[in-house]
Amino acid sequence: EAGVTQSPTHLIKTRGQQVTLRCSPISGHTSVYWYQQALGLGLQFLLWYDEGEERNRGNFPPRFSGRQFPNYSSELNVNALELEDSALYLCASRPGASLGTSGNTIYFGEGSWLTVV
Amino acid sequence: DQQVKQNSPSLSVQEGRISILNCDYTNSMFDYFLWYKKYPAEGPTFLISISSIKDKNEDGRFTVFLNKSAKHLSLHIVPSQPGDSAVYFCAARRGYSSASKIIFGSGTRLSIRP
Repeated sequence: EAGVTQSPTHLIKTRGQQVTLRCSPISGHTSVYWYQQALGLGLQFLLWYDEGEERNRGNFPPRFSGRQFPNYSSELNVNALELEDSALYLCASRPGASLGTSGNTIYFGEGSWLTVV
Repeated sequence: DQQVKQNSPSLSVQEGRISILNCDYTNSMFDYFLWYKKYPAEGPTFLISISSIKDKNEDGRFTVFLNKSAKHLSLHIVPSQPGDSAVYFCAARRGYSSASKIIFGSGTRLSIRP
């Protein structure tokens, strides 16, 4: 069974540009989470989508946005890139509530490395 | 407001000895706790978890202890092996409702020395 897949794996953008990162959850998982891991920092919660809707967002400015598609895949968009947006962006997915306690665990992809120059 | 705290950014342990990673939380409403392990250039992988109704959960060399009164949990690895060298993230979630999310600590880098 395929895990959480993310694309692209690495990319370089210039300040002020826009970027779109993509995530495909594990088959059957309906929830998708986005996290940012900047150099030397822990995992910062960005966004949570479930059943196509944004359920929660972390303390990030509005230029960080995203969406979830009917097939549960998701995109993270970052507008007006700043140098401090350089980070590893991780996507994770979780089974639906009907799967009981297994839904307590989220499964991460390999991440997308974004460098802003 | 850091609800999940890992106060030790790094830890060095000799191979074969016990590694103890600590985590503190502030929100008494958290009812499920997880540990993730992360190698460089890879996504975090789930390691072990514990529900708030328990105080201990064991899986092979890994044991997680939960002290609810102290709002503290710890991960014990024994015996420590070279492959255990990684960053370990503690995480917590509140409830199973659609409004919940998992909150991570800042991580502890574990280095296993020969």
